[in-house]
Amino acid sequence: NAGVTQTPKFRILKIGQSMTLQCTQDMNHNYMYWYRQDPGMGLKLIYYSVGAGITDKGEVPNGYNVSRSTTEDFPLRLELAAPSQTSVYFCASSWDSTYNEQFFGPGTRLTVL
Amino acid sequence: GDSVTQMEGPVTLSEEAFLTINCTYTATGYPSLFWYVQYPGEGLQLLLKATKADDKGSNKGFEATYRKETTSFHLEKGSVQVSDSAVYFCALSTGNQFYFGTGTSLTVIP
Repeated sequence: NAGVTQTPKFRILKIGQSMTLQCTQDMNHNYMYWYRQDPGMGLKLIYYSVGAGITDKGEVPNGYNVSRSTTEDFPLRLELAAPSQTSVYFCASSWDSTYNEQFFGPGTRLTVL
Repeated sequence: GDSVTQMEGPVTLSEEAFLTINCTYTATGYPSLFWYVQYPGEGLQLLLKATKADDKGSNKGFEATYRKETTSFHLEKGSVQVSDSAVYFCALSTGNQFYFGTGTSLTVIP
C-alpha cells in the first residue's frame, strides 16, 4: 500500500495563476481532508469529504475548491492564486471521523509570488 | 466550538530528560483524543490515541491519559532521545472534523 500520495511536492505560482493539487489514497477510506499548515502554526482544515460525491467546507475554504468523483481521489483546486495561499498543504484520509486516526500524505509546499 | 490548546514551544531538553507537553481541550460530546508527531519535511504520523475517558494511549515510550475531569491529554515520556526531536500535535475528533493544536517543537540535545 502506498497510503496517501500527493503531487506535486513543490510548486511556485504567480499571482492569479491556477493549479490543482492531487491527492490519492489506496486504503479505501471514506473520509478525506485537505489542510494547510502555515509556518509555526497548526493545521487548518480547508475542505473535507465523507464519501464520493460529498464534500463540505472546513475552517478556511475561501479561494479553494474540491471535488470527490471517486473514493480514491480528492483534488484541491486553487483559483486565482494569492500570496496568502503560500503554505504547505496536506491531504489526509481516515476510516471514520471519530475513532480512527487520519493518515497523512507527505505534503505539497506551495509558494505564490 | 471544539478546540485544542497545547503548550507553547519550543522545548529543548537534554537526552534522558523527562518530557511533558500539556494539552487541554474543549468539546461537546465525547471526543477521541490523539497525539501526532511531525518530523522535518514530513507529514503527520499518529503517535497514540485514546477514545474514551480514563483510557491511556502509549507508543514508543510516550504515554497520555484521557482525563475528562480536567479535559486534558498531556503527553509524557520518561527518557527522551535525540531521535524524538520533532513537532508534536494534540488533536481531537468529534463528528466529521479533527481539530489540531498549534504544535510544540521539541529539540533533544545529546
